[in-house]
Amino acid sequence: DAGVIQSPRHEVTEMGQEVTLRCKPISGHDYLFWYRQTMMRGLELLIYFNNNVPIDDSGMPEDRFSAKMPNASFSTLKIQPSEPRDSAVYFCASSLDRVSYNEQFFGPGTRLTVL
Amino acid sequence: AQSVTQLDSQVPVFEEAPVELRCNYSSSVSVYLFWYVQYPNQGLQLLLKYLSGSTLVKGINGFEAEFNKSQTSFHLRKPSVHISDTAEYFCAVRKNTGGFKTIFGAGTRLFVKA
Repeated sequence: DAGVIQSPRHEVTEMGQEVTLRCKPISGHDYLFWYRQTMMRGLELLIYFNNNVPIDDSGMPEDRFSAKMPNASFSTLKIQPSEPRDSAVYFCASSLDRVSYNEQFFGPGTRLTVL
Repeated sequence: AQSVTQLDSQVPVFEEAPVELRCNYSSSVSVYLFWYVQYPNQGLQLLLKYLSGSTLVKGINGFEAEFNKSQTSFHLRKPSVHISDTAEYFCAVRKNTGGFKTIFGAGTRLFVKA
């Protein structure tokens, strides 16, 4: 299996622009997680989906952030408009089901820089 | 709610020396405990987990951790480290019933010197 795939790996944009991060989970996994990692705040869970349905979005920082999962093999995290404080590494992770202990498989991350 | 405290932000150690990375957690309910490792420019990967049963758990790359319920700790150890173990290590906790939210610690940077 190719693992969790994220694109782009690096994104540099200017303040006010829309940013879309993409994730393809491992085939067959039914949970998908979006995390943000910064030096100041560490690794934060933003939102997670089960069977394409958002379950917990309490970590989404504000209305500028939105996430969708239109099908089992694709999810997006959108920031509109972007701000410099959104600069971080964004990770997507997937896992199989709640019967297991929920080992999460992480993608390589997208490093976002907002100028 | 659950929380995780990693007591050391950085741990420098010489190659072939033993190492212990400390983790304490707080929870009012039973939890699962995890250690993840993050190599530079990569995502996190699971090192080991405690679900139930034996309090000493063994993981990949020669790491092990001991669950201590009375001290609410889950320290990670390795008897002899290699240069390749240089990475960021994250302790994580999740309640074992209801919900999938995993809380991660701030991370401990292990730096192995030759």
